[in-house]
Amino acid sequence: KAGVTQTPRYLIKTRGQQVTLSCSPISGHRSVSWYQQTPGQGLQFLFEYFSETQRNKGNFPGRFSGRQFSNSRSEMNVSTLELGDSALYLCASRTDRRNEQFFGPGTRLTVL
Amino acid sequence: DAKTTQPNSMESNEEEPVHLPCNHSTISGTDYIHWYRQLPSQGPEYVIHGLTSNVNNRMASLAIAEDRKSSTLILHRATLRDAAVYYCILSFVFYNNNDMRFGAGTRLTVKP
Repeated sequence: KAGVTQTPRYLIKTRGQQVTLSCSPISGHRSVSWYQQTPGQGLQFLFEYFSETQRNKGNFPGRFSGRQFSNSRSEMNVSTLELGDSALYLCASRTDRRNEQFFGPGTRLTVL
Repeated sequence: DAKTTQPNSMESNEEEPVHLPCNHSTISGTDYIHWYRQLPSQGPEYVIHGLTSNVNNRMASLAIAEDRKSSTLILHRATLRDAAVYYCILSFVFYNNNDMRFGAGTRLTVKP
């Protein structure tokens, strides 16, 4: 089975721009979660999508949004980028009946 | 939210057992204990999880104290590939909540 894939792997943007990151979960997994990882704050939960609906949300501003498509693929969008948004963005998928999450390799976003 | 406390770092010799402790004194009755690890330049990887009883899988063993206020991840024979940051996480709902609060974790160094 192919693992979780994320595109792009690396991205450089400037302040004020917006960015969209993509995540393809493992086949059959309907839950997709997004996390932000920074050296200062560690791994922080952004949100979770299940069957195209946002099921849980972390404590991030409204500039961070996401969506999930009918094939379970998910996108995350960050608008009006700030320097502090520079981070590794990780996507994780799982089936709904198991607690084990499978993480992708992440997208490294740099905001200049 | 129930919080976990782990040592910042630990060292081990190759082929020796490693015991990684985690304290979670405010754990609630419905909290599951999860362990993930993150190898350099990769997303986190599921290791093991449990509720009350000790658990074993091909990667590790999880020993849970009788009062559930602490747990220990046991790697039976550490290899160089086990060098990673190990996270102990509590999640209070098993199926429909993916909000996992990662702490700083324990950085495990394995010496040849």
